Amino acid sequence: ETGVTQSPTHLIKTRGQQVTLRCSSQSGHNTVSWYQQALGQGPQFIFQYYREEENGRGNFPPRFSGLQFPNYSSELNVNALELDDSALYLCASSLSTSGQYFGPGTRLTVT
Amino acid sequence: AQSVTQLDSQVPVFEEAPVELRCNYSSSVSVYLFWYVQYPNQGLQLLLKYLSGSTLVESINGFEAEFNKSQTSFHLRKPSVHISDTAEYFCAVSATSSGGSYIPTFGRGTSLIVHP
Repeated sequence: ETGVTQSPTHLIKTRGQQVTLRCSSQSGHNTVSWYQQALGQGPQFIFQYYREEENGRGNFPPRFSGLQFPNYSSELNVNALELDDSALYLCASSLSTSGQYFGPGTRLTVT
Repeated sequence: AQSVTQLDSQVPVFEEAPVELRCNYSSSVSVYLFWYVQYPNQGLQLLLKYLSGSTLVESINGFEAEFNKSQTSFHLRKPSVHISDTAEYFCAVSATSSGGSYIPTFGRGTSLIVHP
């Protein structure tokens, strides 16, 4: 059984650019959630997808968008990057209320 | 909406001493509770969870947490810590949203620092 994987590991972008982060769910998990974790903070919920449909959204602007594919892998897209978007982006997969299984994260730096 | 308060941002302790990491939550509905651990430069790992049943839950590496509904708390304890327990610990609470999903809210984290 493979765990949750994320790519890329690190990324450096310039303000105003767009970025796509990718996540592969743990085998059998049909729900994926994305979080933003700023330095020294707890993860902040961005949105969740269940069977390819958005199933909940946190307090993030529309320039944060996502997709879930039929194999339950997922993408997080961020447009018009701002300096404050610099953070660790975590993907987590789950099956109902079993608790979430997190990937190692993508460290995004916006300059 | 729910919220989580981790009362200590940092807890220093000597190896083999007991430790308690405190977590209080606020929610208007029934909740599920979780503790996660994050080692440096890694993602979060599920340590233990309370869904229902016994209010005392245990992890495989000696941690335990007790759900106290009257005090809305879910403190994490270990009777004897090791150097390898040094990490960031996050408490999380999850309640059903209007869409039927369980979306956890995380606390700000407690940094456990174990000294030799």
